[in-house]
Amino acid sequence: GNSVTQMEGPVTLSEEAFLTINCTYTATGYPSLFWYVQYPGEGLQLLLKATKADDKGSNKGFEATYRKETTSFHLEKGSVQVSDSAVYFCALPHNFNKFYFGSGTKLNVKP
Amino acid sequence: NAGVTQTPKFRVLKTGQSMTLLCAQDMNHEYMYWYRQDPGMGLRLIHYSVGEGTTAKGEVPDGYNVSRLKKQNFLLGLESAAPSQTSVYFCASRSHLDGYTFGSGTRLTVV
Repeated sequence: GNSVTQMEGPVTLSEEAFLTINCTYTATGYPSLFWYVQYPGEGLQLLLKATKADDKGSNKGFEATYRKETTSFHLEKGSVQVSDSAVYFCALPHNFNKFYFGSGTKLNVKP
Repeated sequence: NAGVTQTPKFRVLKTGQSMTLLCAQDMNHEYMYWYRQDPGMGLRLIHYSVGEGTTAKGEVPDGYNVSRLKKQNFLLGLESAAPSQTSVYFCASRSHLDGYTFGSGTRLTVV
């Protein structure tokens, strides 16, 4: 069945550092892939998505490329800010009914 | 603003009490979900619905019931609350082609 594996956190970076959060997936076919972000005390929000192989999703300076060869969808940002401190979840559909979410990676950005 | 609204935001229950969590969405989404989020456990699916009048069990359905009498509402009930049900509960909805939209969560404490 479909599943995702995320790197464990927490990840602690200084402001303006480069961010990578790894996500690999196992899937039947080529489902859409998603990154969600959860800020403290809030629900999950869609950050970006990619719908097919080699697509790049981007939003708020974050990017992720759907890599079929390596079954990966790593999240990157060139220069993080304190306001990016949150928990990030990789996700993909199990079937049209429901999604699988990764376990989440907490990012702490220090000024 | 369009989205998913959860009520209440906070609740404290005594063991054995019952309550209902309400989720309402105004995006005409077919699919609705209830998740619980616990430290170190990520998101776990409790129940979901693929349309008005339908419900189905997720990963952790025991101790919960749900109803979807109207397309825009998805209710989660706890008949006899237990301390193990202390958690943050998130409702989400989605259309067939898109990702999830989450509510802001209900923080439930059972004492």
